[in-house]
Amino acid sequence: GAGVSQTPSNKVTEKGKYVELRCDPISGHTALYWYRQSLGQGPEFLIYFQGTGAADDSGLPNDRFFAVRPEGSVSTLKIQRTERGDSAVYLCASSFSRDHEQFFGPGTRLTVL
Amino acid sequence: GIQVEQSPPDLILQEGANSTLRCNFSDSVNNLQWFHQNPWGQLINLFYIPSGTKQNGRLSATTVATERYSLLYISSSQTTDSGVYFCAVGLDNYGQNFVFGPGTRLSVLP
Repeated sequence: GAGVSQTPSNKVTEKGKYVELRCDPISGHTALYWYRQSLGQGPEFLIYFQGTGAADDSGLPNDRFFAVRPEGSVSTLKIQRTERGDSAVYLCASSFSRDHEQFFGPGTRLTVL
Repeated sequence: GIQVEQSPPDLILQEGANSTLRCNFSDSVNNLQWFHQNPWGQLINLFYIPSGTKQNGRLSATTVATERYSLLYISSSQTTDSGVYFCAVGLDNYGQNFVFGPGTRLSVLP
């Protein structure tokens, strides 16, 4: 596609449930990033993939969060046992490679009731 | 970790006015981008500018990496410029896990 896409655009779930958020990067981009944005704040880094491997997962808040990119293209962010504090907009970005401009998707708004 | 500050936090302008937004960062960086987040939450790329000066229409940006700051200039502002402007920096030798500043919220009044 022409840009980064994310699905779903909105996700409402109940506390304790499991959710998966999907990111389709720009074709040919080897680097992929996940960020989380809470209301009124700037995005915060979660995890960075170079190809299929997680090159830096230092931003993941705890072990309930996990992300994969098995074929080096699409990535899935997985959140187990969701908590109300996980409510935020989850943003995905991609870049041609490590030192290149990042392009962001529209985000997935997650609401945990 | 690296600290990123943006000023002013809020800015209200009349249509047609000019403005300068500032981004200060506490460590050396090898990537810096300016974004405009529109009312629908989409982050729109304005400039990829780890150093030097760039211009795109009514917008221009300058990064002085040795002094650890970047400036975004908006000339002849329009109501569609309203939104939040973010500066984001990539840590030197740490790949590209961006650290975002807190943003400047711009409101342009007709």
